[in-house]
Amino acid sequence: GENVEQHPSTLSVQEGDSAVIKCTYSDSASNYFPWYKQELGKGPQLIIDIRSNVGEKKDQRIAVTLNKTAKHFSLHITETQPEDSAVYFCAAPSPRGTYKYIFGTGTRLKVLA
Amino acid sequence: ETGVTQSPTHLIKTRGQQVTLRCSSQSGHNTVSWYQQALGQGPQFIFQYYREEENGRGNFPPRFSGLQFPNYSSELNVNALELDDSALYLCASSQLQGTGTEAFFGQGTRLTVV
Repeated sequence: GENVEQHPSTLSVQEGDSAVIKCTYSDSASNYFPWYKQELGKGPQLIIDIRSNVGEKKDQRIAVTLNKTAKHFSLHITETQPEDSAVYFCAAPSPRGTYKYIFGTGTRLKVLA
Repeated sequence: ETGVTQSPTHLIKTRGQQVTLRCSSQSGHNTVSWYQQALGQGPQFIFQYYREEENGRGNFPPRFSGLQFPNYSSELNVNALELDDSALYLCASSQLQGTGTEAFFGQGTRLTVV
């Protein structure tokens, strides 16, 4: 079936601490996994993505890891800052033959100053 | 900024009316996807247009329809509006059809049906 589970739904961290958001997908053929950040009143912004031929990708304070065997991928934000506060969505391609992304239900991250 | 622009930003319509939302894709992108995002939820796929043809559709009724123009901009049309159609409508443009390629979203159109 089509399902992307995302946890936790809310996350509060102290400024400077790390935040981790996890997603699980169902289709073993999925090969591309983007993460989006959505601030209030704005559209989702692509912040990092990973393809199935690598296990980890980093971009400054943001990293994504992928475990194809377990069918889950995670977003890691280190040294969090107040401007990291937003809703984060993971996404995975729908089962082969269609052209859509299935999005997780979102994680509201709050970075406390 | 992604280079994907949507208009209008906000819209209020009455139940039963029709609405047209517009999207200009990022330069060099030939594919536009439309998503509906209800409050507190993730985006839900409506359909995708590639080179002026619909090439994928989600679980939305036929009163949701679209167009893509030769310059790859796109419209989303919704007929016979219902209260449940109130949502943020997002378009995303990408360089290639299908998934597996970066998709960049516009800021969305907030539709309220009263």
